[in-house]
Amino acid sequence: DAMVIQNPRYQVTQFGKPVTLSCSQTLNHNVMYWYQQKSSQAPKLLFHYYDKDFNNEADTPDNFQSRRPNTSFCFLDIRSPGLGDAAMYLCATSSVRGGAYEQYFGPGTRLTVT
Amino acid sequence: GNSVTQMEGPVTLSEEAFLTINCTYTATGYPSLFWYVQYPGEGLQLLLKATKADDKGSNKGFEATYRKETTSFHLEKGSVQVSDSAVYFCALRGNQGGKLIFGQGTELSVKP
Repeated sequence: DAMVIQNPRYQVTQFGKPVTLSCSQTLNHNVMYWYQQKSSQAPKLLFHYYDKDFNNEADTPDNFQSRRPNTSFCFLDIRSPGLGDAAMYLCATSSVRGGAYEQYFGPGTRLTVT
Repeated sequence: GNSVTQMEGPVTLSEEAFLTINCTYTATGYPSLFWYVQYPGEGLQLLLKATKADDKGSNKGFEATYRKETTSFHLEKGSVQVSDSAVYFCALRGNQGGKLIFGQGTELSVKP
């Protein structure tokens, strides 16, 4: 089945220690998104890639970076995690080649900062 | 700007009860509307969608109708099960594209 995969599902990092979360997709979608979600609140969009074009949300801290080396993979880098960055990080994809452009989400990575 | 408002939770129901979760929106033009469900510890799953006025989205016994006159997209299910316990998010995407706008989520708890 075509899907969105996130690894790892659980990540523990130390305060200030860089961490990378990964996302891959077999849907061949041209748009990939990263969201941060805390305590069953609505997901908060951090940034997205439209093909290779990076689009940052205005209120996303500089501490968060992203890379998309090819269509299938996208990475979220947190350069110096703080305690406030502990959250669920969700990757999503969509295709803007037709339809309602619904987004398909991965299972998420739960990040703990110690 | 675009926005989505959902009824506050938690909503607690007994098994086989009727479910309604209210969702209203503010948007220009003709947005696409979605319901997503999030089970504990999981990502969001698309439950159903509607792309134009009077469309009815349905899946797994859930349904919602796009009502432009009342700017609503209420989620309903005739008989809930314990396995439906989750957080439900209403969302819209503007007709000019752009990001998903989520409601605040409604937690549903179904008791046996």
